[in-house]
Amino acid sequence: GENVEQHPSTLSVQEGDSAVIKCTYSDSASNYFPWYKQELGKRPQLIIDIRSNVGEKKDQRIAVTLNKTAKHFSLHITETQPEDSAVYFCAASQAYKLSFGAGTTVTVRA
Amino acid sequence: DAGVIQSPRHEVTEMGQEVTLRCKPISGHNSLFWYRQTMMRGLELLIYFNNNVPIDDSGMPEDRFSAKMPNASFSTLKIQPSEPRDSAVYFCASSLGGTGYNEQFFGPGTRLTVL
Repeated sequence: GENVEQHPSTLSVQEGDSAVIKCTYSDSASNYFPWYKQELGKRPQLIIDIRSNVGEKKDQRIAVTLNKTAKHFSLHITETQPEDSAVYFCAASQAYKLSFGAGTTVTVRA
Repeated sequence: DAGVIQSPRHEVTEMGQEVTLRCKPISGHNSLFWYRQTMMRGLELLIYFNNNVPIDDSGMPEDRFSAKMPNASFSTLKIQPSEPRDSAVYFCASSLGGTGYNEQFFGPGTRLTVL
């Protein structure tokens, strides 16, 4: 089955700086890569996603890049704000099945 | 829309008892997923329904776990008998379509504690 590895497990950044989270996947058949944000005690919520036929996607301060050859994708958050503090999960999917990374706890220091 | 609804939000039970978790997907969504989240294992897919039919139950840990979807607006996940290692947050999610390109909307989760 699909195996998704996510790094780092924790990330502390100064407010206003950028945060980068990296994921790798094992199954070349995976074709959809969503990112979820989970605040403490809350549900995971989709923040951005990318399909395998796209190399990069941006939504305001958030961007995701995908390198299919290397089976690698990344989340970039620019101009971080305190409300960006949360756990971020990457995932890889083929058909219906989402395989999640272990998560990255992001702390934005004021 | 109210989003995915789950009940109860918290459940504390004793080992050996039966536990039933409930989920109401978003109206019109035809795919429903049950996930379990723990610190050790992260987010794991337990079972996937499409049009009320179980398509993939390979993530169900053992026979103590069962899930049903009697109609498009209701699903249950049952654990009998429950064990302490079943303690986790159980999420239900739904999506429109099962192709994988469709956003999965998560419910608020049920935090289960088995003593």
